[in-house]
Amino acid sequence: NAGVTQTPKFQVLKTGQSMTLQCAQDMNHEYMSWYRQDPGMGLRLIHYSVGAGITDQGEVPNGYNVSRSTTEDFPLRLLSAAPSQTSVYFCASSYFQVRSPLHFGNGTRLTVT
Amino acid sequence: TQLLEQSPQFLSIQEGENLTVYCNSSSVFSSLQWYRQEPGEGPVLLVTVVTGGEVKKLKRLTFQFGDARKDSSLHITAAQPGDTGLYLCAGARGVGGSQGNLIFGKGTKLSVKP
Repeated sequence: NAGVTQTPKFQVLKTGQSMTLQCAQDMNHEYMSWYRQDPGMGLRLIHYSVGAGITDQGEVPNGYNVSRSTTEDFPLRLLSAAPSQTSVYFCASSYFQVRSPLHFGNGTRLTVT
Repeated sequence: TQLLEQSPQFLSIQEGENLTVYCNSSSVFSSLQWYRQEPGEGPVLLVTVVTGGEVKKLKRLTFQFGDARKDSSLHITAAQPGDTGLYLCAGARGVGGSQGNLIFGKGTKLSVKP
């Protein structure tokens, strides 16, 4: 099983550019989420989805959009990149219940200059 | 607001030593998870504890959930270089609902030198 697949692994953007980070899972998980990880800040939740067609904001949603048209895919869109969005982004999925383990992708390292 | 405090933030020890990592909060959690993250990879679940006072063992790793379900600890016996990584605790704020209710600590970065 591939698990959670994130692309690209690395990306450099200029301020103001837009891009989409891709995330796909093949475990039929209802729940999918995006986190950003910054030094000294831990993992912070950006957006999450509990099923196709349903999304909600996490702790740090500003500057990011998401959609969930299928169970498998949960792309994260940066509308107008800013240096403050330089970070490592992780996609995660799980079964719905809060005690279910999160399965993480291997991350996308984004640099905004 | 940081609801989960992990300590220490950094830990560097020699192979064979024992260590304990702490995860503390003023809030009650319905369950708590521990993850380990290696460089360049995503976190991987080690254990979930759900009952106050619960103790779980995973080979040389011992996890404990506090009686009041506000804190947890991870004890590693005879640490090995393969234990090196970032250890994260994550608490669930409710019994129901999804993983959107999961709160992560900032992590403890462990380095075990041979």
